[in-house]
Amino acid sequence: DTGVSQDPRHKITKRGQNVTFRCDPISEHNRLYWYRQTLGQGPEFLTYFQNEAQLEKSRLLSDRFSAERPKGSFSTLEIQHTEQGDSAMYLCASTRFAGGTNYGYTFGSGTRLTVV
Amino acid sequence: RKEVEQDPGPFNVPEGATVAFNCTYSNSASQSFFWYRQDCRKEPKLLMSVYSSGNEDGRFTAQLNRASQYISLLIRDSKLSDSATYLCAETNTNAGKSTFGDGTTLTVKP
Repeated sequence: DTGVSQDPRHKITKRGQNVTFRCDPISEHNRLYWYRQTLGQGPEFLTYFQNEAQLEKSRLLSDRFSAERPKGSFSTLEIQHTEQGDSAMYLCASTRFAGGTNYGYTFGSGTRLTVV
Repeated sequence: RKEVEQDPGPFNVPEGATVAFNCTYSNSASQSFFWYRQDCRKEPKLLMSVYSSGNEDGRFTAQLNRASQYISLLIRDSKLSDSATYLCAETNTNAGKSTFGDGTTLTVKP
C-alpha cells in the first residue's frame, strides 16, 4: 500500500465552474476525512466517512460542497459554482478507528485549488 | 476562542538547543491528542500520539496535562531538519474527528 493518494495535485478553475477531487485511502483504514487548509491556518474539518457512511458534515460547509464514498473505497469531493474563497489546499486523510480510539491520520499530498 | 490554540511563533533556535511548544484545548471531553509535523507546502505527517500522560520517541517528548488542558512537545538536541510547522490536534471520541491548531513554526539555525 502506497499511502493515501489524491488527484489532481493542482487545479486551477474559473469562478462558477464545478470541480471534483478524488481520494484513495489506505485500504486497511475504515475512516476517511476531508479537510481544507489555507495559508497560516491549521486543517479545517469538512466531513468524514466510516466505510461508506457519511457520519458528519461541518456546519461551515455550504450546500455547494458534497462528498461521496461509494462502496467504502475511494471518495470524491465536489465543489459546485466555485468562488474565490474556495481557494485552498484540500486534504484527505484516513485512519484506523477501533474501540473508540483514533490512531492518528495519514494524510494525502492534497489538492491545491485556485479559483480565478 | 478557538478549540485548539497554539503559539504561532516563530521559534528560532540554534542547532542543539532544546525547545518546547505548548498547545491548549477547550474541550474537556477530548480523549486523544496528536502532534503533526508539516513542511512548507506539504501535507501534515503524524509525529506523536498522546493517549494518557505522555509519550517519548527519541528526541521528542509529548506531555499531557488534563487538569490544565494542555499538551506540550519537547524537542531535544534540535537538528536543522527539525525546521517545520508543528500542528497540535485533539480528538473527541464521540465526535470522531480531530480539531487542529494553527501550528507553531520552528526554525533551527546553524
